[in-house]
Amino acid sequence: KAGVTQTPRYLIKTRGQQVTLSCSPISGHRSVSWYQQTPGQGLQFLFEYFSETQRNKGNFPGRFSGRQFSNSRSEMNVSTLELGDSALYLCASRQVSGGLHEQYFGPGTRLTVT
Amino acid sequence: EDQVTQSPEALRLQEGESSSLNCSYTVSGLRGLFWYRQDPGKGPEFLFTLYSAGEEKEKERLKATLTKKESFLHITAPKPEDSATYLCAVGGVETSGSRLTFGEGTQLTVNP
Repeated sequence: KAGVTQTPRYLIKTRGQQVTLSCSPISGHRSVSWYQQTPGQGLQFLFEYFSETQRNKGNFPGRFSGRQFSNSRSEMNVSTLELGDSALYLCASRQVSGGLHEQYFGPGTRLTVT
Repeated sequence: EDQVTQSPEALRLQEGESSSLNCSYTVSGLRGLFWYRQDPGKGPEFLFTLYSAGEEKEKERLKATLTKKESFLHITAPKPEDSATYLCAVGGVETSGSRLTFGEGTQLTVNP
């Protein structure tokens, strides 16, 4: 079974621009979550999508948004980029059933804001 | 608010030298505790899920245990390929869905 895939793997953007990142979950996984990883803050939860609806949101400003499509693929968008948005953005998918089960992460998108 | 603290921040071992990594957590009610391994430039790789105190899971040279306040990742006779950052994460009853709180990780280096 193919793992979680993310595109692009690397991005360089300028302050003020916007960016869209893409994530394809493991086949059969209907929940997709996004995390931001930085050296100072570690891994922080951004949001979760299930059945094309945002189910959960972390403590990030409204500049961070996302969506999910009917095939469970997800995108996240960051508008008006700031230098502090430079990070590794990770997508994770999981099966949705009773209980909290493991999430499987993709390789991430490395975003650099200059 | 869920909190996770991992120690030590960094650990250097000789090949074959067994040790343990610690994950202390504070949650209102534990839904699950997870261990991941992360290699540089890659996404975290799932290792174990633990749900209740007393539970243990094993995989090759790794063994994870859980108490009501902490979890340990025991590494027996490590090899250089075990070098990585090990992350601990929890999901509590006050959060729903996939939301996990991660610790900062322990960076493990195993020298040959």
